[in-house]
Amino acid sequence: KNEVEQSPQNLTAQEGEFITINCSYSVGISALHWLQQHPGGGIVSLFMLSSGKKKHGRLIATINIQEKHSSLHITASHPRDSAVYICAARSADGLTFGKGTHLIIQP
Amino acid sequence: DAGVIQSPRHEVTEMGQEVTLRCKPISGHNSLFWYRQTMMRGLELLIYFNNNVPIDDSGMPEDRFSAKMPNASFSTLKIQPSEPRDSAVYFCASNNGGRQETQYFGPGTRLLVL
Repeated sequence: KNEVEQSPQNLTAQEGEFITINCSYSVGISALHWLQQHPGGGIVSLFMLSSGKKKHGRLIATINIQEKHSSLHITASHPRDSAVYICAARSADGLTFGKGTHLIIQP
Repeated sequence: DAGVIQSPRHEVTEMGQEVTLRCKPISGHNSLFWYRQTMMRGLELLIYFNNNVPIDDSGMPEDRFSAKMPNASFSTLKIQPSEPRDSAVYFCASNNGGRQETQYFGPGTRLLVL
């Protein structure tokens, strides 16, 4: 059974700081998703990764298959980045979600 | 009255999985509507029931979508298998009198298919 752990659970930072959110999983996976959920509840898919690195604007996602670990980075963070960030790993068990990282960026 | 009740409020699933959305109309209403809302296409009527009978399902996108209303207080919209392009907000609405009358909308189910 895949276990997905995220860290930190909560993160408060100042505007402009470089943010890193981590996700580790326990079994081999075929893909990993990073999701963003804003306070209103809407969920947006940010990235799907199976290897390497992807970049979209100020967001960067990396995955290390051997180490069973993925990171989501936010450069030049802004208050509008405040949200819950969730990783979800796809394995033979199906899709397993992390508990989320609650990020607050203060102006 | 509690209004139209929908569940779940949010659903995140993976393509290929079956998704079932649920709706409880306002008690006493005899018409029920399922809508889909996307940024690209706005609000689209999928299917309309009157007295638990499907009257117009011309808006149902394809065979992967099915809707049932087994009784006056419950309806389901099922997608099997789901695809990423099904990601949308799905609204249920009810009224007395059909399409020409004011419809009362539920809060919607936000579906994301990865």
